[in-house]
Amino acid sequence: NAGVTQTPKFRILKIGQSMTLQCAQDMNHNYMYWYRQDPGMGLKLIYYSVGAGITDKGEVPNGYNVSRSTTEDFPLRLELAAPSQTSVYFCASSFPGQDSYEQYFGPGTRLTVT
Amino acid sequence: AQRVTQPEKLLSVFKGAPVELKCNYSYSGSPELFWYVQYSRQRLQLLLRHISRESIKGFTADLNKGETSFHLKKPFAQEEDSAMYYCALSQYGGATNKLIFGTGTLLAVQP
Repeated sequence: NAGVTQTPKFRILKIGQSMTLQCAQDMNHNYMYWYRQDPGMGLKLIYYSVGAGITDKGEVPNGYNVSRSTTEDFPLRLELAAPSQTSVYFCASSFPGQDSYEQYFGPGTRLTVT
Repeated sequence: AQRVTQPEKLLSVFKGAPVELKCNYSYSGSPELFWYVQYSRQRLQLLLRHISRESIKGFTADLNKGETSFHLKKPFAQEEDSAMYYCALSQYGGATNKLIFGTGTLLAVQP
């Protein structure tokens, strides 16, 4: 299993540009998550999904959109990039249920907006 | 408000010394606490969870509800323990498994 994969690894955007960060998992996990990590800070939840067709906002959703058309994929869209979105983005997935709190993380995407 | 606090950005110890990485939390319900670790050039991964009451790689962590703490301990540090450690909180029995992370502590074990 590849686990959780993310593309691209690095990206530099100009202010106002848009892009999609890709995330895929091959573990048949229902739950998927997007986090951002700013320097010296912990991970903050942007959006999450509990299954195909179901998404919800996390702590810092402004400036982002998500979709979940399949169990495997959970892309994150930035419509109008701003310098405040410079961060490292992590995708994660997990099984649902009381005994399955472990989240499996992707390697991250480092995004710079200038 | 739900919050996880890791007061130390950096903890430097010598090999063989005891290690204690501090974590305090603020949560009104029944929390589930975790420690995640990120070794150099590796992805973030689960180290241990309080409900399992297990020792992983010599690390243990006890949930102290009175002090709202979940400190990570190891009696004798090894160089391979050098990594970034994150304490995280989730709502026990919650439907979405959402995690709240602390800011992390970089553990540096000197030879």
